[in-house]
Amino acid sequence: GAVVSQHPSWVICKSGTSVKIECRSLDFQATTMFWYRQFPKQSLMLMATSNEGSKATYEQGVEKDKFLINHASLTLSTLTVTSAHPEDSSFYICSAVGLAGPYGETQYFGPGTRLLVL
Amino acid sequence: SQKIEQNSEALNIQEGKTATLTCNYTNYSPAYLQWYRQDPGRGPVFLLLIRENEKEKRKERLKVTFDTTLKQSLFHITASQPADSATYLCALHGGSSASKIIFGSGTRLSIRP
Repeated sequence: GAVVSQHPSWVICKSGTSVKIECRSLDFQATTMFWYRQFPKQSLMLMATSNEGSKATYEQGVEKDKFLINHASLTLSTLTVTSAHPEDSSFYICSAVGLAGPYGETQYFGPGTRLLVL
Repeated sequence: SQKIEQNSEALNIQEGKTATLTCNYTNYSPAYLQWYRQDPGRGPVFLLLIRENEKEKRKERLKVTFDTTLKQSLFHITASQPADSATYLCALHGGSSASKIIFGSGTRLSIRP
């Protein structure tokens, strides 16, 4: 149980284009999903917290117009990197927390999406 | 401000020995603490959760202790194997649905044959 998927697993795009990353909880309903980015040999940096049906809460320094988050259902959240630039190249990871019980306490992570902006 | 530290950036030990990783925190009272494993290019994988009222938790070769007085958690891997080589992250959670998880920077563990 507690499987979270991400799609795509890696993407290469040209500067100025937008990229959408999907995060799905496959076998549980996620009230809250988190988006992180991680640079090489560094820890996870929380970008935003998204709750189903409401606007995402962004961490300080994260541009909400740059990183659009939509949490349309209890099993799907998307992160869109708009007008991507080379400095947006990173490893993006989502996690999901369930409604209750064992899924309600632990963040279960997706496998990550490697973004390379040329 | 809240701070979480993992004792060393990297730890290198001989196969078969017990690996011990340390997580210390300040200015925080977590309701529970979690340990994750992360392999290169992959998302973290949940290993163990220990609550503030628990002293110790075990799962197969893994053991976690939690000392709220010392504000410290120890993570042990007994009979370590090369396959245990990875980065291990500790994470603190305040317990409420509004609490964010705070992650440590991780310890990169290498088990040499």
